[in-house]
Amino acid sequence: QSVLTQPPSASGTPGQRVTISCSGSSSYIGSNYVYWYQQVPGAAPKLLIYRNNQRPSGVPDRFSGSKSGTSASLAISGLRSEDEADYHCAVWDDRLSGRWVFGGGTKLTVL
Amino acid sequence: QVQLVQSGAEVKKPGASVKVSCKASGYTFTDYYIHWVRQAPGQGLEWMGWINPFNPKSGGTNYAQKFRGRVTMTRDTSISTAYMELSTLRSDDTAVYYCARPLGSSGSATSYLIDYWGQGTLVTVSS
Repeated sequence: QSVLTQPPSASGTPGQRVTISCSGSSSYIGSNYVYWYQQVPGAAPKLLIYRNNQRPSGVPDRFSGSKSGTSASLAISGLRSEDEADYHCAVWDDRLSGRWVFGGGTKLTVL
Repeated sequence: QVQLVQSGAEVKKPGASVKVSCKASGYTFTDYYIHWVRQAPGQGLEWMGWINPFNPKSGGTNYAQKFRGRVTMTRDTSISTAYMELSTLRSDDTAVYYCARPLGSSGSATSYLIDYWGQGTLVTVSS
């Protein structure tokens, strides 16, 4: 079981706003930035959000991230069919030479 | 452009070893760490470790606790290729294995931030 907990699934209709949560302990989310990766079926993950709420260039502003205490959230507004994918939260734990810790992933279905 | 091209799918028996390659192009291979991440069928991502291609010895690798003793990450700088070898395979090692490169070069503020991924290599462990 991952130390970062995500709901296994989420869903929404086109145009809706959906949120995906990621919860963890003070040692992980509480002490580090949170990152989000999007993975469409059959493809490698893609960086979606870095350092809690920053978007890489090219990522639409429909995607936003936030963090409070030991929980983080990814929000997607104006949901589109192409947003159907798996979403993974992650933290970079820089203790002991550094390691990535990932959540279990959330499968988003656009109804 | 940055490209990471991995070797093809493998089928292995329990107890065997597998070695996956990751050929890099479009950048200076020794300037960036390489991470390995795996994904079991229907599961989330699982980080396995990283290698510093510039100096893999003397602190140039870091493996996830779960895989220590079973995983070895190496590189051949002459052909800009990183390798991940996993031994004593079990059925629950069946997964897609990805190599990945961070956004920033080693020593930079984003030297850890995975941004480029290989296409993945499916390793199936079955008797």
